[in-house]
Amino acid sequence: DAGITQSPRHKVTETGTPVTLRCHQTENHRYMYWYRQDPGHGLRLIHYSYGVKDTDKGEVSDGYSVSRSKTEDFLLTLESATSSQTSVYFCAISESMDSTEAFFGQGTRLTVV
Amino acid sequence: GQSLEQPSEVTAVEGAIVQINCTYQTSGFYGLSWYQQHDGGAPTFLSYNALDGLEETGRFSSFLSRSDSYGYLLLQELQMKDSASYFCAVRGRDDKIIFGKGTRLHILP
Repeated sequence: DAGITQSPRHKVTETGTPVTLRCHQTENHRYMYWYRQDPGHGLRLIHYSYGVKDTDKGEVSDGYSVSRSKTEDFLLTLESATSSQTSVYFCAISESMDSTEAFFGQGTRLTVV
Repeated sequence: GQSLEQPSEVTAVEGAIVQINCTYQTSGFYGLSWYQQHDGGAPTFLSYNALDGLEETGRFSSFLSRSDSYGYLLLQELQMKDSASYFCAVRGRDDKIIFGKGTRLHILP
């Protein structure tokens, strides 16, 4: 299994509070992605990174920011959590731009109350 | 941008064969992949097609036609453990990996 871990695995937070989710990899893969998964919507890309300090927006980036200061860590921050951000969040890593093969973390279930 | 279309649900009988189709639209193309996800789990990579034709991996095969922007996943000798959601995914010129909304496969005994 690819070395990718997400923390925390579960979190309940209140509306309006900031939340940071962490993705850590030990594979030295260049590309890292944050997705959210909601019933009926599949996996939607929030932000992604193609190198240290190189990030770009995905399909549903509003309300989210990311940072990647080291190859192994990719942080997703909800600046002010809203109930619509209740979801399961997955981090994924990919080695090559010539492939769509990606490895996923186990996910973080976030509930905003 | 990129978008993918796949059926939301498919039902098949244990031991049979099932095909899950995927059509895509993307700017730039670096291959079509398939992922499996069981309830409560993370998506796991199944197969990847960069070129036209059929790729076979055990009971699973995946096909790509770049001229038709179309691919499919073929599952043979279905087993109950194959009950899961299946996603197709593409990577475009901007390095984004975009997924379809997923196909829920129901298997009847």
